[in-house]
Amino acid sequence: QKEVEQNSGPLSVPEGAIASLNCTYSDRVSQSFFWYRQYSGKSPELIMSIYSNGDKEDGRFTAQLNKASQYVSLLIRDSQPSDSATYLCAVRTQGGGGNKLTFGTGTQLKVEL
Amino acid sequence: GAGVSQSPSNKVTEKGKDVELRCDPISGHTALYWYRQSLGQGLEFLIYFQGNSAPDKSGLPSDRFSAERTGGSVSTLTIQRTQQEDSAVYLCASRPNMGGVYEQYFGPGTRLTVT
Repeated sequence: QKEVEQNSGPLSVPEGAIASLNCTYSDRVSQSFFWYRQYSGKSPELIMSIYSNGDKEDGRFTAQLNKASQYVSLLIRDSQPSDSATYLCAVRTQGGGGNKLTFGTGTQLKVEL
Repeated sequence: GAGVSQSPSNKVTEKGKDVELRCDPISGHTALYWYRQSLGQGLEFLIYFQGNSAPDKSGLPSDRFSAERTGGSVSTLTIQRTQQEDSAVYLCASRPNMGGVYEQYFGPGTRLTVT
């Protein structure tokens, strides 16, 4: 079982819709969770971090964390074509070199006009 | 402020040659990470430096890979006797030394092609 799993997609949504990106992780002691956006040919860009159960909102982005279900998601409201990218989920686990992040392989999002 | 910088942006080398990749972290960031990303693959952790502590080398794929960080700032990743499977984008990230802050910020990467 992969430590961090994401559906590779592509996930296609129409412009203006809500895009929902999901990520599951295997290590129950994981502490911190991050969403990165990566445009083709570019490096990952941090867009959200979430440390506690519940929702965290930043502009059009909402991160949701459920530690009991080992699940973290990213919602993008009013999706724009410029949101088309690969979204990487990353997880930090406490202890044993716990300042490293483990990344999923990413979900490709396509926002269509 | 200035972000993480990496050089060169692209490197083409012949199989068997040594290469050095450079990373200059965000000023004041004490933690520095190297990852690599192969085509269509996720980010693979290579090595982690935190201040003056011994680096975490647990992700280095073979003894052909090494890295150093001088003066707690600039880091160099060296790959000796390069192989074609070393072709990838090598990414550097840094993190501030603040309790409870774990966000990492990436540089633009170095695309390494071994021919």
